[in-house]
Amino acid sequence: GAGVSQSPRYKVTKRGQDVTLRCDPISSHATLYWYQQALGQGPEFLTYFNYEAQPDKSGLPSDRFSAERPEGSISTLTIQRTEQRDSAMYRCASRRGLNTGELFFGEGSRLTVL
Amino acid sequence: EDQVTQSPEALRLQEGESSSLNCSYTVSGLRGLFWYRQDPGKGPEFLFTLYSAGEEKEKERLKATLTKKESFLHITAPKPEDSATYLCAVQHGGSQGNLIFGKGTKLSVKP
Repeated sequence: GAGVSQSPRYKVTKRGQDVTLRCDPISSHATLYWYQQALGQGPEFLTYFNYEAQPDKSGLPSDRFSAERPEGSISTLTIQRTEQRDSAMYRCASRRGLNTGELFFGEGSRLTVL
Repeated sequence: EDQVTQSPEALRLQEGESSSLNCSYTVSGLRGLFWYRQDPGKGPEFLFTLYSAGEEKEKERLKATLTKKESFLHITAPKPEDSATYLCAVQHGGSQGNLIFGKGTKLSVKP
C-alpha cells in the first residue's frame, strides 16, 4: 500500500482477554518494526522483522507478547491475557531494508485494558 | 548501554524566536541519527538522517547538525505550525536495524 496501515485504530478490552493488532507495511519494504509508545514518551522498541525472519524480539515485555510475519508482508502483534499495564499506543513502522532509509510509521493502535 | 537523551523536555517560543533542540547520545558505533516530528495523535514523520560528525541537513526553517556526541535541531524564525514533539533516534553499528528513540522535545510556538 501507499502507507503503513494499522488496525484496529482503537481497541478496548477487559483484563485477561487476548488481543491481536495488525500492521500492513508499505508494499516494497522488507523490514517491519513494532514499537510501544506511552503518552508523552518516545517509541520503545518491541521487535522487528526482516522479511519473515524475526532477528530481534528483545523488547517484548513478557512472554505474553508475540509477533508474526509469516509471509514477509502483513504482521500481527498478539498480547495474551492482557493486563492494565499493557494499555498504550502500539506503533508499526516499515523500512526499505535493514539499514536502508528511514522508518515510515503508521497511525498506531490505541489499546485500553480495563 | 545505548542511550538517547533529549533536552529540553518542553520549549515555548514566540513566533520568530529562533532556538535549538538537543539530542545527546551514547552508542557503540553510530550508523545513523534520525529526527522525526510527531503531531498529537499521529505517527512520527521523518525529517532528517545524519550519518557522520560534521554533517548538516536543512529543510525550510529546520537545520540538523551532528557531532560525535550530540545532534542539534535548529529552528529559525519558527511559526505556530512548527508546534509539535520532535523525536531523535539513533541506530548503532551492531543493532541490525533497531532504532532507539529519545523521549522527545515538545515545542510550542505562540503567535
